[in-house]
Amino acid sequence: SQQGEEDPQALSIQEGENATMNCSYKTSINNLQWYRQNSGRGLVHLILIRSNEREKHSGRLRVTLDTSKKSSSLLITASRAADTASYFCATDKGGGNKLTFGTGTQLKVEL
Amino acid sequence: DTGVSQNPRHKITKRGQNVTFRCDPISEHNRLYWYRQTLGQGPEFLTYFQNEAQLEKSRLLSDRFSAERPKGSFSTLEIQRTEQGDSAMYLCASSPAGEQFFGPGTRLTVL
Repeated sequence: SQQGEEDPQALSIQEGENATMNCSYKTSINNLQWYRQNSGRGLVHLILIRSNEREKHSGRLRVTLDTSKKSSSLLITASRAADTASYFCATDKGGGNKLTFGTGTQLKVEL
Repeated sequence: DTGVSQNPRHKITKRGQNVTFRCDPISEHNRLYWYRQTLGQGPEFLTYFQNEAQLEKSRLLSDRFSAERPKGSFSTLEIQRTEQGDSAMYLCASSPAGEQFFGPGTRLTVL
């Protein structure tokens, strides 16, 4: 079963704009991860944030985590056409076992 | 290429036939995971190995599904007596801990 949902389900922006995606989940977690999926490269890990962290940056990516609200957000700044993909959040409840994925946000970045 | 590889990339079979997929993880990763993804959904966990031991199986993994990881290296996922509902992308991932590295997947179509 899916852990939670991403919001919005689909997002269309112009190149250069920022894109924000939200993820909600249901149970306590050890960490939360964001992945990107497109037809060319499959699922690619973007960033991992642990439950005791509130914000993390990696290049043009910024992730926040609010464990009290059981939610996370992914911000992509200065988007590029190559960022067009589906983005999934995935939660790890601990022990390094299974990831539980959300339903995904389809991002389209137009020139 | 030292990433996770999966074979075959595509498999078309008739209902009732058996199919087997192979996953070769990144060599130093002791954890290996299988997921299933249907159109418009995030991946769903099927099973997990640490070395050769199968440590967790999802209730999605019916009696018709079996997975092995002999010698803790490559893994196989077999589906017996395939049904149309088995049509999906089957993803394999490996991990040292935390971040998971995904293969390109095997797309199964059951006619």
